Amino acid sequence: ELKVEQNPLFLSMQEGKNYTIYCNYSTTSDRLYWYRQDPGKSLESLFVLLSNGAVKQEGRLMASLDTKARLSTLHITAAVHDLSATYFCAVDAQGGSEKLVFGKGTKLTVNP
Amino acid sequence: NAGVTQTPKFRVLKTGQSMTLLCAQDMNHEYMYWYRQDPGMGLRLIHYSVGEGTTAKGEVPDGYNVSRLKKQNFLLGLESAAPSQTSVYFCASGLVQRHEKLFFGSGTQLSVL
Repeated sequence: ELKVEQNPLFLSMQEGKNYTIYCNYSTTSDRLYWYRQDPGKSLESLFVLLSNGAVKQEGRLMASLDTKARLSTLHITAAVHDLSATYFCAVDAQGGSEKLVFGKGTKLTVNP
Repeated sequence: NAGVTQTPKFRVLKTGQSMTLLCAQDMNHEYMYWYRQDPGMGLRLIHYSVGEGTTAKGEVPDGYNVSRLKKQNFLLGLESAAPSQTSVYFCASGLVQRHEKLFFGSGTQLSVL
């Protein structure tokens, strides 16, 4: 059974600092997704990573995927307050099940 | 530009009551999903559908039923609500041949007293 673990679950950081959120998963998969959720809101797709070594960047966020290590990272560069949100990774459970399994989320707070 | 629409947005039920949550999408997606979100638990898959007339169980299907009679609609039913079903429910839909990404509805806050 596919397990997806994120760490840290809570992250408080100062504006201007860099940090990385980690997403580990337990079984083979080559598709990983990152979503953002603002408080009381729905989920918004950030990145779709479809192969080993995939790297995607948008603004201050950069996501990468290492399928051999079963690890994805979401790197935050020079954080700003607007990045405060909960970030989820989700992994496609392969084998025809068509399920998307989510991590528990990382609640990011960026302080001035 | 409707995307994925969920109704209702809020609902309070008494234990034992029944209700149906409706999810409608206008993007011609094959795949549709129902998730529940609880504090500290992330999103957990309840049921999903890979096409009109099909449904399948997810991680936490007990106490829920679903139907996909039309491609654009995915209904989630609670036959006899329990307090443990208090949660925020999200519907999502995605593209055929493996979801390139999912589009989520705005959520339904359900409280069962």
